[in-house]
Amino acid sequence: DAGVTQSPTHLIKTRGQQVTLRCSPKSGHDTVSWYQQALGQGPQFIFQYYEEEERQRGNFPDRFSGHQFPNYSSELNVNALLLGDSALYLCASSVGTGTGPDQPQHFGDGTRLSIL
Amino acid sequence: GQQVMQIPQYQHVQEGEDFTTYCNSSTTLSNIQWYKQRPGGHPVFLIQLVKSGEVKKQKRLTFQFGEAKKNSSLHITATQTTDVGTYFCAGPGGSQGNLIFGKGTKLSVKP
Repeated sequence: DAGVTQSPTHLIKTRGQQVTLRCSPKSGHDTVSWYQQALGQGPQFIFQYYEEEERQRGNFPDRFSGHQFPNYSSELNVNALLLGDSALYLCASSVGTGTGPDQPQHFGDGTRLSIL
Repeated sequence: GQQVMQIPQYQHVQEGEDFTTYCNSSTTLSNIQWYKQRPGGHPVFLIQLVKSGEVKKQKRLTFQFGEAKKNSSLHITATQTTDVGTYFCAGPGGSQGNLIFGKGTKLSVKP
């Protein structure tokens, strides 16, 4: 039973570039949430996808966008990268109606994004 | 906005000593979740508490949810080197309906 898988593992970009991160949820899960974790901090919620729609969004600018596909996998896109976007980006999946906060989150290993 | 605060930020213990981390929310929570993140790893769900005053145990770990459902604690008895990591509490956010994580308590255990 595969858990949450994310790709790539590491990524180095320069300011102003664009990046796409990918996530496959745990088998049987239909809701995907994305988090940003800066060094020494807790994960910060970016947004959540359910039934291919963005259901909830945290305090992140429009440069952060996403998508969910019919097979429940998801992408996180970040445009016009800033130095402050350097962080570990975590994808988490869960089961349910997509409300999120009452469901345990199953996290992937994350993508370490470094902006030069 | 809603905040979830954890103390202490760091805790260094000798193997065999006990460890406690505390979590406080600025608002009443419908539930609270605890996660553990090993160095270089990702957060792993430990437990969810729902009821006021609830106490749950997992081997050497004891989790409590306060009577007012605004605070919680995690206590580890007789720490082992395998307990090393950062422990996060997380509660449902307000209007955004997402999980809000505390900054975590980083536990180091000296053998």
